[in-house]
Amino acid sequence: SQQGEEDPQALSIQEGENATMNCSYKTSINNLQWYRQNSGRGLVHLILIRSNEREKHSGRLRVTLDTSKKSSSLLITASRAADTASYFCATDDRGNQGGKLIFGQGTELSVKP
Amino acid sequence: AAGVIQSPRHLIKEKRETATLKCYPIPRHDTVYWYQQGPGQDPQFLISFYEKMQSDKGSIPDRFSAQQFSDYHSELNMSSLELGDSALYFCASSFAGGLRYFGPGTRLTVT
Repeated sequence: SQQGEEDPQALSIQEGENATMNCSYKTSINNLQWYRQNSGRGLVHLILIRSNEREKHSGRLRVTLDTSKKSSSLLITASRAADTASYFCATDDRGNQGGKLIFGQGTELSVKP
Repeated sequence: AAGVIQSPRHLIKEKRETATLKCYPIPRHDTVYWYQQGPGQDPQFLISFYEKMQSDKGSIPDRFSAQQFSDYHSELNMSSLELGDSALYFCASSFAGGLRYFGPGTRLTVT
């Protein structure tokens, strides 16, 4: 990966449990985004947190950002079998036209019914 | 709502052949991005276009070229294909550098 490292690389939990995934990055960012990808499918945007934000919620998702440690975490509460997917963080270091997203290696989440 | 359209969805080519992947962004989006995702890998940025001009370049091999047309659709041309080019190729679009919306991807298999 060019930028983010994700931890853990694979996570297996039971339905109803919480899942926490971490991401670290190397450069200064404008924002950090989390994406979900079902096996072999497209990337779906989940949530965006700006560099001046520390925490953001969206439904069962909670994202934190620590710019001093260059790290972020994604918490999925009360997980469901349908949450089984790969989760990627991606950083946007420019936020202007043509700025590329740099993806982390992803965490493969398996939620068992 | 209209999403990013990619065609074809699946493509099988032999080594040394050429391939052309197409991407149709969401209407009124002015920026297109191409990513390559190998098996079990994270998506790697290849190239992007803003208002039909190349705006950023990543790890795109010299064998690949891309352009954005007047109707904002983009094509990724891949020549002298190698086995290692087998991957999912994603296109994403955005308006004014905002949220990127990804297409479903084209799965390229080189045999």
